[in-house]
Amino acid sequence: AQSVAQPEDQVNVAEGNPLTVKCTYSVSGNPYLFWYVQYPNRGLQFLLKYITGDNLVKGSYGFEAEFNKSQTSFHLKKPSALVSDSALYFCAVTPPGGYQKVTFGTGTKLQVIP
Amino acid sequence: DSGVTQTPKHLITATGQRVTLRCSPRSGDLSVYWYQQSLDQGLQFLIQYYNGEERAKGNILERFSAQQFPDLHSELNLSSLELGDSALYFCASSVTGAANEKLFFGSGTQLSVL
Repeated sequence: AQSVAQPEDQVNVAEGNPLTVKCTYSVSGNPYLFWYVQYPNRGLQFLLKYITGDNLVKGSYGFEAEFNKSQTSFHLKKPSALVSDSALYFCAVTPPGGYQKVTFGTGTKLQVIP
Repeated sequence: DSGVTQTPKHLITATGQRVTLRCSPRSGDLSVYWYQQSLDQGLQFLIQYYNGEERAKGNILERFSAQQFPDLHSELNLSSLELGDSALYFCASSVTGAANEKLFFGSGTQLSVL
């Protein structure tokens, strides 16, 4: 069975500082990995995905994520945090090929402090 | 705006009742997913449809059922409601439901069972 772990319920970072939101996964084979963001009273929005190729994936709003197969991690990063980045972030994994059988993590609340 | 429309936005009902949640996928998307989001369970996958056919089932209770109609809109029926069914219900869509596709989420239906 596949699983995703987001070990931090909340991450606090000062505006302008780099941010990291952690994600580790467990799945058979090479996974497809996703990050989504949820703003208050809104649905989830796609940020980026790793399917294959370059381990560093760039996405929306200046976010990027690094796929690390040996550590089974897919941490979300941004060089300089904005107050508007404050939201709930979800990591998701699905086995490769076929159709989606996506499992979401429990979410990490990112708080960017002015 | 994701292009996925969910109605109603809010629903308040009593225990034992039955409700229907409606979802219109993004134009051109054939696959529809239903998710339940609650504070204690996180984001739980309920069911997926592709072009009118059920494709995958997750943690969906027997009291819950869904269908996707020929015009591709979907309905989630919740019956014999319990207090614990209070949650935010999301619909998402993707083009074909392939594993490498991103999901587009609606804004959700907030269900309160009193």
